[in-house]
Parts: sequence; C-alpha cells; structure tokens
Amino acid sequence: KNQVEQSPQSLIILEGKNCTLQCNYTVSPFSNLRWYKQDTGRGPVSLTIMTFSENTKSNGRYTATLDADTKQSSLHITASQLSDSASYICVVFFSGTYKYIFGTGTRLKVLA
Amino acid sequence: EAGVAQSPRYKIIEKRQSVAFWCNPISGHATLYWYQQILGQGPKLLIQFQNNGVVDDSQLPKDRFSAERLKGVDSTLKIQPAKLEDSAVYLCASSPRGGIAGNTIYFGEGSWLTVV
Repeated sequence: KNQVEQSPQSLIILEGKNCTLQCNYTVSPFSNLRWYKQDTGRGPVSLTIMTFSENTKSNGRYTATLDADTKQSSLHITASQLSDSASYICVVFFSGTYKYIFGTGTRLKVLA
Repeated sequence: EAGVAQSPRYKIIEKRQSVAFWCNPISGHATLYWYQQILGQGPKLLIQFQNNGVVDDSQLPKDRFSAERLKGVDSTLKIQPAKLEDSAVYLCASSPRGGIAGNTIYFGEGSWLTVV
C-alpha cells in the first residue's frame, strides 16, 4: 500500500535550536517529494520539491534531504524561530496514478 | 498574483443541516481539488476536477457530498445532510495542470466546518 509516514507526530523546541523532521514513504513509483508548511488556521504552503534524483534542497533555513533508495526524507530547520511553529506535511507524487499522497504531518512548536 | 479564494472561512451548523463552500482557483489553473482535513491529520482528497470534468471522486461520500465546477473555473462543495464526523477543514487547491509530476498544488486558507 502506498503510504507516507511522518515522525515525530509533534515536537517542542526552544527558539534558536535546530530540529529534524522525518518522512518515510512506501510509494512506488514516485516522481517527487514535497514538504509543505501549514500554519494554524491557514492552508499548506509549499517549502521544497525534490525529484528522485536530488539529494538535498534548501529554502532559507529549511533544508530537505532525500534518499530514494531507503525511501526516506528529512526536513532540517536551522536556528528555529517562533514563526516556525506550524505543521509540516510531507507529500509524495505517485506516478502510478498521478496522485499526491499526503503524510499526517508533524506539529512543531517553538518556544521563546 | 491572487491566490486560491475560499468562503466562508468558518461555519457552524447542526447535524442534518446542509452547507456549501465556494472556491475560486488561481486564474488559469486547469486542475481544482477539494480536500478534507480532520484535526491532526493530513489532507484527504475528496474530488479532483480537470477543467470542468471530474478526474477522481473515489473518496467523496456521494450519499451526502456533491461538488461541481462551473465553466471550469469556480467550484462549490455541498454537504447535505451533515454529520458530526464531517467537522473538518475543507481545503480547496488548484494547480496549473493535474497529473504532472512537476506541478505545485496551491492551497486556499480553508473553510472550517463545525457540526454540532
């Protein structure tokens, strides 16, 4: 079954600290993997998109990595800020049916 | 560039009542999606339109949910009659063209439904 699993479910860190969110998927074949940020009460916003041939992609303080062999991705947030408090959703594009498969998200809380 | 517009933002109704949500996608986007997001979960696709045709409605509870996309632009999602378990955020999204790996889905702010 094509699934996307994220860990941890929730995470609390202090402002200025780094953190890493994990995404494991069983989707195959897949074309690309995206990370979305969803602020409370808002719609998801795309952070990064990575194809199967890419290993790393950065967007400011956000760095996503992808290991297509082990079917794992991570999102690393550097020097966290209060505004990073949000849910982070991993989305995999399933080439078999041309559909997006969403993870359940990781809820990050950054404390002052 | 204007984003995906949705209304209403918030709605509280009693069970067995009906509700309708409206969505205006980004201009020129051929593909429109409706997602249901229950608190603490990722979005679940309800229906996908390509222009004004339905591409995928396999997870739409058709006994109570209906959706249409008028003239390939705006879309309306209706729930009738509502159940308690329909309490969720209904996200409308659009992309230039569905089924293309490089497409980015752009989401609206969502319509929050509470059924009491």
